[in-house]
Amino acid sequence: DGGITQSPKYLFRKEGQNVTLSCEQNLNHDAMYWYRQDPGQGLRLIYYSQIVNDFQKGDIAEGYSVSREKKESFPLTVTSAQKNPTAFYLCASSTYGSSYNEQFFGPGTRLTVL
Amino acid sequence: QKEVEQDPGPLSVPEGAIVSLNCTYSNSAFQYFMWYRQYSRKGPELLMYTYSSGNKEDGRFTAQVDKSSKYISLFIRDSQPSDSATYLCAMRSDGNKLVFGAGTILRVKS
Repeated sequence: DGGITQSPKYLFRKEGQNVTLSCEQNLNHDAMYWYRQDPGQGLRLIYYSQIVNDFQKGDIAEGYSVSREKKESFPLTVTSAQKNPTAFYLCASSTYGSSYNEQFFGPGTRLTVL
Repeated sequence: QKEVEQDPGPLSVPEGAIVSLNCTYSNSAFQYFMWYRQYSRKGPELLMYTYSSGNKEDGRFTAQVDKSSKYISLFIRDSQPSDSATYLCAMRSDGNKLVFGAGTILRVKS
């Protein structure tokens, strides 16, 4: 089955800790994305990557970091500098180009800061 | 002002009703318009996508885009309890970056 997997499904973090959220895709997509979803605010883009070893900041990158060492993988680290990290985090992937490219989403990781 | 405005609801309708969901936007460069459906605690899934203005129909769903008014709509006919979900509109211009609305919570009562 082709798709996007995210782990863990639920994650609890103590204040001051860094945590890493996993995202893997086997769709052979070039582009991958991380979004944050808060109640009543829709999805906001954190980081995106169009090619291996390259990534760009989205609208709310402060307090987050990413890497893209492999085409299939795009992990997100939530650092202690992120002041309000409790949210639902969604990873997506797509082909890349000027025409329409559907973004496929993973099942999400719910992060709670204790 | 947000680039994409969407009433968060919740919108509650009886089974069998016609549902109208709407978004307005301010960026005239948007060319691709999408509707995603998201069930509780799940990732969004694409329902429909439209390029430029016009209508598109898929079964019980119809998407409309009016670029002159910067207004898009999703109509659901013969709504079912299984349609209960959050509906997100999304748009993009030339790049791959999507801009999402806040999402509308829809509840279809049996």
